[in-house]
Amino acid sequence: SQKIEQNSEALNIQEGKTATLTCNYTNYSPAYLQWYRQDPGRGPVFLLLIRENEKEKRKERLKVTFDTTLKQSLFHITASQPADSATYLCALPPDTNAGKSTFGDGTTLTVKP
Amino acid sequence: DTGVSQDPRHKITKRGQNVTFRCDPISEHNRLYWYRQTLGQGPEFLTYFQNEAQLEKSRLLSDRFSAERPKGSFSTLEIQRTEQGDSAMYLCASSLFAGGPYEQYFGPGTRLTVT
Repeated sequence: SQKIEQNSEALNIQEGKTATLTCNYTNYSPAYLQWYRQDPGRGPVFLLLIRENEKEKRKERLKVTFDTTLKQSLFHITASQPADSATYLCALPPDTNAGKSTFGDGTTLTVKP
Repeated sequence: DTGVSQDPRHKITKRGQNVTFRCDPISEHNRLYWYRQTLGQGPEFLTYFQNEAQLEKSRLLSDRFSAERPKGSFSTLEIQRTEQGDSAMYLCASSLFAGGPYEQYFGPGTRLTVT
């Protein structure tokens, strides 16, 4: 079955630095991969989707890469701000026509001023 | 549209009681999903609907859990004979599925505490 692994430890960085979060997956070849942000006590919010034929996707200060050979996606936040502090979730789409998406356990990012 | 809404936001119940949660998706969305999330874990899939049809149910879901989406709009999730292990955040999400990649829009969740 699909398995997703994200940075197992929380990530603490200084304001202005670049945060890099990792998502590794196994037993699957997804057509795309998604990243969500989740603040404490709230539901996840969609950030970016990257397709298998896209090496890189950008949105403002966010950049996502997708390496289907390594089975890995990297999520970067440049010029990080304390407001970027949250948990970031990686998600794989269904491997069939079913609706089930598989989420990683997330990486908690703290940006210190 | 104000997004996905869930009711109640918090529910405290005693073990053995039944609880029911409601989810109102974004109106034009044809798919609706239920997830469960515990502290430090990602959302865990429970079930999903396309319009009014329940198309998949997690094998982890016991017979105490049932979900409906009677008219293809709002959905309810019922847990019968609650157990302490049912304590979690229950998330609802909706999406507009047209065959390609899609994003899910999540509600704020219902936090269930079973005492």
